[in-house]
Amino acid sequence: QSALTQPASVSGSPGQSITISCTGTSSDVGGYNYVSWYQQHPGKAPKLMIYDVSNRPSGVSNRFSGSKSGNTASLTISGLQAEDEADYYCSSYTSSSTPHVVFGGGTKLTVL
Amino acid sequence: QLQLQESGPGLVKPSETLSLTCTVSGGSISSSSYYWGWIRQPPGKGLEWIGSIYYSGSTYYNPSLKSRVTISVDTSKNQFSLKLSSVTAADTAVYYCARQFRGRWLQPIMDVWGKGTTVTVSS
Repeated sequence: QSALTQPASVSGSPGQSITISCTGTSSDVGGYNYVSWYQQHPGKAPKLMIYDVSNRPSGVSNRFSGSKSGNTASLTISGLQAEDEADYYCSSYTSSSTPHVVFGGGTKLTVL
Repeated sequence: QLQLQESGPGLVKPSETLSLTCTVSGGSISSSSYYWGWIRQPPGKGLEWIGSIYYSGSTYYNPSLKSRVTISVDTSKNQFSLKLSSVTAADTAVYYCARQFRGRWLQPIMDVWGKGTTVTVSS
């Protein structure tokens, strides 16, 4: 059981927008603005898409955006494209027990 | 361009120790701006952070694995390593090494990843 809760799957048509949620607690998502999102295509290493809740690394499309409200962080992908089909993982710093990093269980995005 | 490459045995017997090395090229492991971490992914499952190390040797570990994990660094070789003891089939996974930004806290900003190496635990 993952520390952060994500929906197992989401889907959308090309051009549409989708949002993936990531729910934690006040010890992780809710307590710090240290949430990241990763994209992983089959057989590939994860790729950093969003860090510190809403910041995009250089080179990541502005179709990807992040936000947070309370204990839930969200990743929104606008203007869906076929190449966005992948698994997405949220991650957060947590002060629970000793300081460490936790991941969500992952969300499979299907572009219809 | 910074690159990370994992290396080590692809098959480990139950109860033995898994040992992997990550070689950093195109940059120095002795940067004050980064930690160096290990993340794993069991077949068909999600990501699990194992732990991270700073070039000085200070470490952070996943509490669920802490009793079995040791991460070390060799700055002369620009490498860092993972040892996981008393392995079982549940430790079968793709193991990734990654560069992790060192901010005020242990932020989960892994911006450069190795390609991953598959380790199977089986007799």
